[in-house]
Amino acid sequence: DAKTTQPPSMDCAEGRAANLPCNHSTISGNEYVYWYRQIHSQGPQYIIHGLKNNETNEMASLIITEDRKSSTLILPHATLRDTAVYYCIVRVEGDSNYQLIWGAGTKLIIKP
Amino acid sequence: KAGVTQTPRYLIKTRGQQVTLSCSPISGHRSVSWYQQTPGQGLQFLFEYFSETQRNKGNFPGRFSGRQFSNSRSEMNVSTLELGDSALYLCASSLEARGYGYTFGSGTRLTVV
Repeated sequence: DAKTTQPPSMDCAEGRAANLPCNHSTISGNEYVYWYRQIHSQGPQYIIHGLKNNETNEMASLIITEDRKSSTLILPHATLRDTAVYYCIVRVEGDSNYQLIWGAGTKLIIKP
Repeated sequence: KAGVTQTPRYLIKTRGQQVTLSCSPISGHRSVSWYQQTPGQGLQFLFEYFSETQRNKGNFPGRFSGRQFSNSRSEMNVSTLELGDSALYLCASSLEARGYGYTFGSGTRLTVV
């Protein structure tokens, strides 16, 4: 079962910051949050991941609440090419392996 | 560097047949994972291989199997195909079997008729 909840769709104006929320209220202390996106007809693309600290890379920023029950992915200056389905994922740790539990994702549409 | 290559890109099979899909990971990557993506179920984990050993398996019937070769290339096989097996099958590779840093291929679109 998915461990994350995301809004099914969102719109954002080109050039503005896109803020994508994710709820993961049942996350455990050692479970990472990952974000991937999938552009139509392509395989998912890694964006960013984090455990409890905020993270930033060349693509996006990840803000995780102090209680770790939710997070927000921020695309600082959205372009039309950022239109995609964005997945918030929890990495679950097993006895000797890891597994990514994918949610349903948010379809982000960037409008000119 | 070359990305993850999946072949074939498209495939049409008949119910009851079997199919083999191939995945060539990024050079140097030893972990290969397979996912099934359908409109109704989204992305579902099938299995993960690391250095020719299956390290992790999702909740799919035994008709779904896979293997990894010494050069890290992987194949997955589905026997006795059912209509519900129609999906996009995605392969992802990473350096280690730690669940991060995946690079996905473009997938194989399987249609069962």
